[in-house]
Amino acid sequence: DTGVSQNPRHKITKRGQNVTFRCDPISEHNRLYWYRQTLGQGPEFLTYFQNEAQLEKSRLLSDRFSAERPKGSFSTLEIQRTEQGDSAMYLCASSQSGAGAPRYEQYFGPGTRLTVT
Amino acid sequence: AQSVTQPDIHITVSEGASLELRCNYSYGATPYLFWYVQSPGQGLQLLLKYFSGDTLVQGIKGFEAEFKRSQSSFNLRKPSVHWSDAAEYFCAVGRGNKLTFGTGTQLKVEL
Repeated sequence: DTGVSQNPRHKITKRGQNVTFRCDPISEHNRLYWYRQTLGQGPEFLTYFQNEAQLEKSRLLSDRFSAERPKGSFSTLEIQRTEQGDSAMYLCASSQSGAGAPRYEQYFGPGTRLTVT
Repeated sequence: AQSVTQPDIHITVSEGASLELRCNYSYGATPYLFWYVQSPGQGLQLLLKYFSGDTLVQGIKGFEAEFKRSQSSFNLRKPSVHWSDAAEYFCAVGRGNKLTFGTGTQLKVEL
């Protein structure tokens, strides 16, 4: 299967702990996105990368959040000093950009569900 | 600012009945429009998309959607719903390198 994969699928942590999630995009996709989805809401954009460059960050992405894509392939999203309000599903998506590529056509992974106790 | 409105939070239909899920957007130019489906605990699967051209677009799983500029709508339809269609459906608009989603419509299918 060459879809977007995310690990772990579930994470339970105590308030104040740090957590890190990983996303592996579709191999030929050069763009990678992170979204957050809370109960009863649609996904909300957090940040995106084109290759290894982080090109945009949402105001939702507080200083406790950091994302990297060091070699332009997989990406990690780290949350430091977790708070109960961070409990959500964190979704990763990837897409292809460039001439001829379908704009905005993003493919999503299964998500990582974070529960902060 | 762009926004996406899905006015129906929950919809229940009988298996075999037709389905229409509503989506309205506010955006100045012709938007890039999408419908995604999400099964419980899963990520989002792309059902269909509209960029330009024919305003009636076909997607996977027998779904279609119609873009109506005059009504700023992009409603999702299916002529005959199957029990496996029970899921949450999200409409989204693409602009500025990201997608903006509506709050979703939860579809329940009665057997």
